[in-house]
Formats: sequence, structure tokens, C-alpha cells
Amino acid sequence: KNQVEQSPQSLIILEGKNCTLQCNYTVSPFSNLRWYKQDTGRGPVSLTIMTFSENTKSNGRYTATLDADTKQSSLHITASQLSDSASYICVVRKNNNDMRFGAGTRLTVKP
Amino acid sequence: NAGVTQTPKFRVLKTGQSMTLLCAQDMNHEYMYWYRQDPGMGLRLIHYSVGEGTTAKGEVPDGYNVSRLKKQNFLLGLESAAPSQTSVYFCASRGTGEALYGYTFGSGTRLTVV
Repeated sequence: KNQVEQSPQSLIILEGKNCTLQCNYTVSPFSNLRWYKQDTGRGPVSLTIMTFSENTKSNGRYTATLDADTKQSSLHITASQLSDSASYICVVRKNNNDMRFGAGTRLTVKP
Repeated sequence: NAGVTQTPKFRVLKTGQSMTLLCAQDMNHEYMYWYRQDPGMGLRLIHYSVGEGTTAKGEVPDGYNVSRLKKQNFLLGLESAAPSQTSVYFCASRGTGEALYGYTFGSGTRLTVV
């Protein structure tokens, strides 16, 4: 069983709408959690980083939350744009060189 | 500043053939990684390097070898390709400030083994 589970697997929304992606993890120990955006045919690019003590962090229209007690994180996208169509990957770091990747949520934004 | 460059971008191999994937970074990063990405699964670590001349096994190292003879290059070799190695391969690098900047990924190499 993957130690980082993401839901939904895929999501289709209309341009301008908001959406929330979920990440549940069982990874231990926990160092930090990142959300990455991966455009088709490209490598992942970091959006946000959350450490144990942080509950929420924003990066433009992206807002990430973390509940370290329940081991859950979410990524909220506000006022979606066509360019937000991508896969969003939740990544939990255990230690220096051990990161566990979720399978990603494939988001499609339609006009 | 090109970041992380992977070559080739696409490759088709016959079972049993060998090949080398090249990863080059121009950011003077100490750490470099090779991952594979399969449908419905998260990226999985194959091998990594914490500096020039060093390599270490990751989560799925079998069937692969790596070398880091120069700091800027990290090579991934397949000695005898198998269909199970059909995947998209990503190279990544990071400096010591990963907490701030995260990993920098290449654009990937799509490998098909027939």
C-alpha cells in the first residue's frame, strides 16, 4: 500500500471554479510535505512546502493545509485557469534522501 | 541556466539491449537522483548520489546501475533491458538548501522496451 494516498485520482472543473485536492499519508518519520505540479511531458515543479508546525501556506491561487495529527494535507486552487490543468503530486519527506510520492491527482480545467 | 537536462527524451529498446540515460545539471548541486514514474503509481527512487564519486541504492535499484564521475552528470544504465523497465525516467537534483527550493526535475525520458 502506498504510504501517500491522493484523492481524487482525476478531476474535471470549469474555468474560474475552485477545487480541493486531498493527500493522506502514513509516512514516518515526517520531515516535510510538498505539493508539486507536473505538466504533461514535464518534470514536477514545487508549489509549496509544509513543515510539521505549519497549518497553512499560500502561493498565489494555491493554498496548502497540513494536519500533522491526522496526517492529512490538502491543496486548494482558487479561481482555476486553463493553465492549472496538470497532475498535482503530494510528496512527503522522511529524511535526507527518502521522499515518498503520491500517484497524483490529474486536474483538467475546461473553458 | 538550463537546470536539469535529460537525454534522450524518447527511446525504444528491444529486450536484452543496453542503454545509458544521461542527466546533466548546471546548478552545482551536490545531490542527484533517478526516479521512474509508472501509471497509477508515485515516482519511485532507483538510485541516488550525494556527491561526485558516490552512489547509493534507492527503493527499486534492481536492473539498473549508475555512475557519478563528474559532479554535474549522473548516468543511469540498463545492462539488459526488460519490458518491466518500460517507464518514464526522471532525474532530479538539489542543493543543500532543499528545505527552501526543493528538487529540480528534468523533463523525463520515455523508455519503451519491446
